[in-house]
Amino acid sequence: EVQLVESGGGLVQPGGSLRLSCAASGFMFNRNWMSWVRQAPGKGLEWVANMNQDGSEKYYVDSVKGRFTISRDNAKNSLYLQMNSLRVEDTAVYYCARDMGCGGGTCYYFGYWGQGTLVTVSS
Amino acid sequence: SYELTQPPSVSVSPGQTASITCSGDKLGDKYASWYQQKPGQSPVLVIYQNTKRPSGIPERFSGSNSGNTATLTISGTQAMDEADYFCQAWDSTTIFGGGTKLTVL
Repeated sequence: EVQLVESGGGLVQPGGSLRLSCAASGFMFNRNWMSWVRQAPGKGLEWVANMNQDGSEKYYVDSVKGRFTISRDNAKNSLYLQMNSLRVEDTAVYYCARDMGCGGGTCYYFGYWGQGTLVTVSS
Repeated sequence: SYELTQPPSVSVSPGQTASITCSGDKLGDKYASWYQQKPGQSPVLVIYQNTKRPSGIPERFSGSNSGNTATLTISGTQAMDEADYFCQAWDSTTIFGGGTKLTVL
């Protein structure tokens, strides 16, 4: 059974930092692209970042470029999101998701999602 | 930037067919996916690559994609299908529609 378990969310002041983790199990983690997707309270879904199997390719939504860094440790079957210079508008539930339907550097859908971790940016 | 447009809400009577649309420029040339999200839960993939159903998704869920519109169809809608539905496609980056709240009444 595929499982994705996020952790690391919490309350942080504007300008602060937070590191999210996602523990994966039930599939070959080191063979999969992985993503972070967020959802602001009462709002829709927004893709944040993803990376390929060995970390040589990383992509970000424009609003987080230069502030967020996605990374992974295949030995620990774990995905991370380092979030710096946090803004009020970064407040959201952050989901770890397994990219699927990938080819030529493009992945077309998310087959599995974690339960999410809430990040609240507020003074 | 590319946009996907969904109606904010759709209502359907139990046992009837619900259709949820997702519009975008030349969307039919791309792959569309659909996710179901119930209150307090994570999204669940219900349709991928326009028409395919993941294992475990009931046959009453189907999808199509042509021209500028992708459609999620739920035949014989049940009360348990009441949820938010999001379409998603890729155009230089991953894009989600704004979501449609399906009410079964």
